[in-house]
Amino acid sequence: SQQGEEDPQALSIQEGENATMNCSYKTSINNLQWYRQNSGRGLVHLILIRSNEREKHSGRLRVTLDTSKKSSSLLITASRAADTASYFCATVDSGYSTLTFGKGTMLLVSP
Amino acid sequence: GAVVSQHPSRVICKSGTSVKIECRSLDFQATTMFWYRQFPKQSLMLMATSNEGSKATYEQGVEKDKFLINHASLTLSTLTVTSAHPEDSSFYICSAREGKQGLGYTFGSGTRLTVV
Repeated sequence: SQQGEEDPQALSIQEGENATMNCSYKTSINNLQWYRQNSGRGLVHLILIRSNEREKHSGRLRVTLDTSKKSSSLLITASRAADTASYFCATVDSGYSTLTFGKGTMLLVSP
Repeated sequence: GAVVSQHPSRVICKSGTSVKIECRSLDFQATTMFWYRQFPKQSLMLMATSNEGSKATYEQGVEKDKFLINHASLTLSTLTVTSAHPEDSSFYICSAREGKQGLGYTFGSGTRLTVV
């Protein structure tokens, strides 16, 4: 089963602009993770934020987590054409049992 | 870092035949492995969770007799699609977790299955 929604479903921007993707979930979580997937390829882990954290940075990535609203956001700053991919959030439930994915956002960065 | 090897990356098979997909953790012991299915432009849907030495736990709606999962060792899990039909054509991805903590999930590169 899928945890929830990501929005937007598709995002098209120009190089140099920032891209913000949002993710909502429904159940209590231990942590939330963001992944990237290039078309027809496997997943690449980007960043993990624990339920007791509110914000985390990694290079050009900034992730926020609001457990009261059961939502997270991924910000990619100064985007590049190479950032074009699908981005998924995934949650790990409090029992550490499974990693459940959201529906994803397809990001297109034009040169 | 942790690496998961998934093989084959692409396979085409005839309807009615069976296909086996392998997922290996190369430099760590995977106590739990997960199998996902992904249709074009959609998200990953969890099919089943397998723990080494025990039967897999299947998600609702996934036929366990059709999608056979074996996790015989701490480094290898296999998914066998039996009596494949064109509607089984999809992208299958495995994931391995080293410990019980829900922190380190490593994904294979996926298998594109086409049933003709």
